[in-house]
Amino acid sequence: GESVGLHLPTLSVQEGDNSIINCAYSNSASDYFIWYKQESGKGPQFIIDIRSNMDKRQGQRVTVLLNKTVKHLSLQIAATQPGDSAVYFCAENEEYGNKLVFGAGTILRVKS
Amino acid sequence: DAGVIQSPRHEVTEMGQEVTLRCKPISGHDYLFWYRQTMMRGLELLIYFNNNVPIDDSGMPEDRFSAKMPNASFSTLKIQPSEPRDSAVYFCASSFGLAGMNTGELFFGEGSRLTVL
Repeated sequence: GESVGLHLPTLSVQEGDNSIINCAYSNSASDYFIWYKQESGKGPQFIIDIRSNMDKRQGQRVTVLLNKTVKHLSLQIAATQPGDSAVYFCAENEEYGNKLVFGAGTILRVKS
Repeated sequence: DAGVIQSPRHEVTEMGQEVTLRCKPISGHDYLFWYRQTMMRGLELLIYFNNNVPIDDSGMPEDRFSAKMPNASFSTLKIQPSEPRDSAVYFCASSFGLAGMNTGELFFGEGSRLTVL
């Protein structure tokens, strides 16, 4: 039979608008979370991370929010630019664990 | 710094052939990881090394896959014999200390796209 691939959610935003990319994680024992950006033909690139003792962390134009109650992570990108177009992955790591588990990813398309 | 270097960038081979993917980690990094990315399963960790020693190979799909790290600056991922379902992009990544796990500073190469016909 035919194989079924992952259907990545796609977020389309207008240049200059803010973007919010969401991620649900499954392991309540995870205590460290990272967002990666993957451009076409390239490997994932670190954007920002957050530990479970925090609920918000800000970087340059990016903010990560963590809601441990509902096991939800979000990445906010301010003033989205065409160069932000990529696939964004959240990853989680369990305390004392030794594996980063990546989510399926979200495609961000920025319209000029 | 040149970053993590992988070769080949693209490989097309026929079922049954041996495939060898190569990786040069960032100098000074003591952890090296091999990941596989497919549309079916996303990004999966296959194996990782610390100081050239394999630590966890539980992600290696089957005995057809093997990985080695003969020295701190070189690693290989070998598939023998290859099958069409092995078609994927294979990424190598490196980090300094378990920083790659706990601080996010995991540096990926640009990947090797493998197509097995």
